[in-house]
Amino acid sequence: EVQLVESGGGLVQPGRSLKLSCVASGFTFSNYGMNWIRQAPGKGLEWVAYISSGSSYIYYAETVKGRFTISRDNAKNTLYLQMTSLRSEDTALYYCARPIYYYSSYRFVMDAWGQGASVTVSS
Amino acid sequence: DIQMTQSPASLSASLGETVTIECRASEDIYNGLAWYQQKPGKSPQLLIYNANSLHTGVPSRFSGSGSGTQYSLKINSLQSEDVASYFCQQYYDYPTFGGGTKLELK
Repeated sequence: EVQLVESGGGLVQPGRSLKLSCVASGFTFSNYGMNWIRQAPGKGLEWVAYISSGSSYIYYAETVKGRFTISRDNAKNTLYLQMTSLRSEDTALYYCARPIYYYSSYRFVMDAWGQGASVTVSS
Repeated sequence: DIQMTQSPASLSASLGETVTIECRASEDIYNGLAWYQQKPGKSPQLLIYNANSLHTGVPSRFSGSGSGTQYSLKINSLQSEDVASYFCQQYYDYPTFGGGTKLELK
């Protein structure tokens, strides 16, 4: 069974940093690119970042570019999201999500999602 | 960015009814369109991709159609377990989502 478990969320002051982790199990993590998606309270979904299986290709949403860094450790089956210069508008539930296939054309079609890590940015 | 406009924002329907949710892209997305279902307090679940391909395990009462900039999700014979929010997402370019449709029982 595919499982994705996020951790590292919490309450943080504006301008500070936070690092999220997502531990994967039930599939060959090193074969798949991975995504972070966020959802502000009571709002819709927003794609945040993508990293390819070997970390060669990395993409960010314009809203987080230059502030967030996606990375992975395939030996540990773990995906990361380093968030810096946090703003109130970054308050959201952050999901890690795996694509349905490892082919690049499906890298943004997500069929496995974690339960989410809650990030609140407030003074 | 490709903008996704989803309608209606909310929908009330009776058990057994057929409902349709629409999604319009700001440019041609060449069938790079997925639909997700999100139940309250839960993570989104993939229903359909490639505009009309049913994901494994999804009941056949769900179907997707469309092309170009116009797409739709149809739910036949509405069941109580279909009460949820539904989101469209384009993946022709960097992904963007529609605003969502909250489906309730009448």
